[in-house]
Amino acid sequence: GAVVSQHPSWVICKSGTSVKIECRSLDFQATTMFWYRQFPKQSLMLMATSNEGSKATYEQGVEKDKFLINHASLTLSTLTVTSAHPEDSSFYICSARVVRLAGGPRNEQFFGPGTRLTVL
Amino acid sequence: GENVEQHPSTLSVQEGDSAVIKCTYSDSASNYFPWYKQELGKRPQLIIDIRSNVGEKKDQRIAVTLNKTAKHFSLHITETQPEDSAVYFCAASMWSNFGNEKLTFGTGTRLTIIP
Repeated sequence: GAVVSQHPSWVICKSGTSVKIECRSLDFQATTMFWYRQFPKQSLMLMATSNEGSKATYEQGVEKDKFLINHASLTLSTLTVTSAHPEDSSFYICSARVVRLAGGPRNEQFFGPGTRLTVL
Repeated sequence: GENVEQHPSTLSVQEGDSAVIKCTYSDSASNYFPWYKQELGKRPQLIIDIRSNVGEKKDQRIAVTLNKTAKHFSLHITETQPEDSAVYFCAASMWSNFGNEKLTFGTGTRLTIIP
């Protein structure tokens, strides 16, 4: 259980184009998903929290008009990088929250396999 | 906001020896501390976690300890094996009924097991 998929796994695009990345929870419903960005040999940087049926919450410094997030259903969140530029090239990873009660309440995050975006 | 520091950034250990990775956090309200393992080019995977009402938790060769007073927690891997080589991230968050708390990650530790 708690499998998260991400599509595409990699994408190459020209500067100025938009790219959509999908994050799906395959065997559970996720009211909350998270989008991260990871540069080579660095940690995961949270970009935004995606809540089903409401607007995403963006972290400080993340442009909401550039990184559009839509969480239209309980199993799907999408991240669209608009007017992509070479500096947007990165590894984008989503995660989905699962509430665990056994052993004490906590929110576990299960990660997708990531999408490597290269902007030429 | 929460700030998580992680040390060391790189760690090389002889196969069979133990490895210890340490993290400190700043927000005393944080009460959930997971550890993730990320192999090259793959997704982070949860390997163990601990809640603030527990001081230590063990799962086979992996253990985590938490010192709430000092606001630090550590990952211990015993009898290390080559497949333990990966990047390990600690994280901290706060549980609430709203359930959308974010994880704040440490900077990662690249663990290399030397055969």
